[in-house]
Amino acid sequence: KAGVTQTPRYLIKTRGQQVTLSCSPISGHRSVSWYQQTPGQGLQFLFEYFSETQRNKGNFPGRFSGRQFSNSRSEMNVSTLELGDSALYLCASSLSSGNPYNEQFFGPGTRLTVL
Amino acid sequence: AQSVTQLGSHVSVSEGALVLLRCNYSSSVPPYLFWYVQYPNQGLQLLLKYTTGATLVKGINGFEAEFKKSETSFHLTKPSAHMSDAAEYFCAVSDRAFFGNEKLTFGTGTRLTIIP
Repeated sequence: KAGVTQTPRYLIKTRGQQVTLSCSPISGHRSVSWYQQTPGQGLQFLFEYFSETQRNKGNFPGRFSGRQFSNSRSEMNVSTLELGDSALYLCASSLSSGNPYNEQFFGPGTRLTVL
Repeated sequence: AQSVTQLGSHVSVSEGALVLLRCNYSSSVPPYLFWYVQYPNQGLQLLLKYTTGATLVKGINGFEAEFKKSETSFHLTKPSAHMSDAAEYFCAVSDRAFFGNEKLTFGTGTRLTIIP
C-alpha cells in the first residue's frame, strides 16, 4: 500500500505570494491533518479534514486554509506569505474509524522557503 | 488541554549503550500516547503507541516504552544503541476524548546522537 505523498517536496517563494501544497492520503484513509514544523515552534497542528469538512483547527491566522476533495486528497493554501512561514509542512492521514488508537501516518513533507 | 514535555533536547549515547528518552504527559483524561521518529529530511514514523492495559509497549527497531500513570511518564528506551538510531524523537499525545479529534500535540523533540 502506498504511503502518504506530498507535492511538491520543495518550494521557494517570496514574501506576499501565495502557495498551495498537496497531500494524497493512504488509500482508504478519510482523515487528513496538516502540521507545521519549525526549529523555533516545533510541530504545530494546523487543521484536520474529514469527509471534505474541516473538523478541527489549530491556532493559525486565516492566511492558512485548506480543503479536502471527495477522494480524500487535501490541499493547504497559505496566502500573503511571510518570512516566518518558512517551515516543513507535514501531512498525515488516518482511518479515523473511531478507534482512539488509530495512528497517523505522515508524509515526507513539503519544505517551504520564503525569501 | 493535553501536553507532553520531553526532557533533554539533545541526548548522546555510545553505540551499544542504553538509550533513554524522557516524556512526561499532562492529561485530564486517559492519554493516548505515541512516540515518533524523524530522520533527516523525512516525515515522522511511528515507533510505538500506548494502549490501555499494557504498561510496557514494544515498538519497532527494538524500542519500547513504559507507561507509568503514577509518574505521568512514557519514557522511551532501547537496550543497545545502534548508529542507525541517530534521529529526532517526538513524544505525542492525542486528545481522543471525542470521536474525530485527530489532533496530535507534540513535545519539543529530542535529538539522539550515537557516538561510535
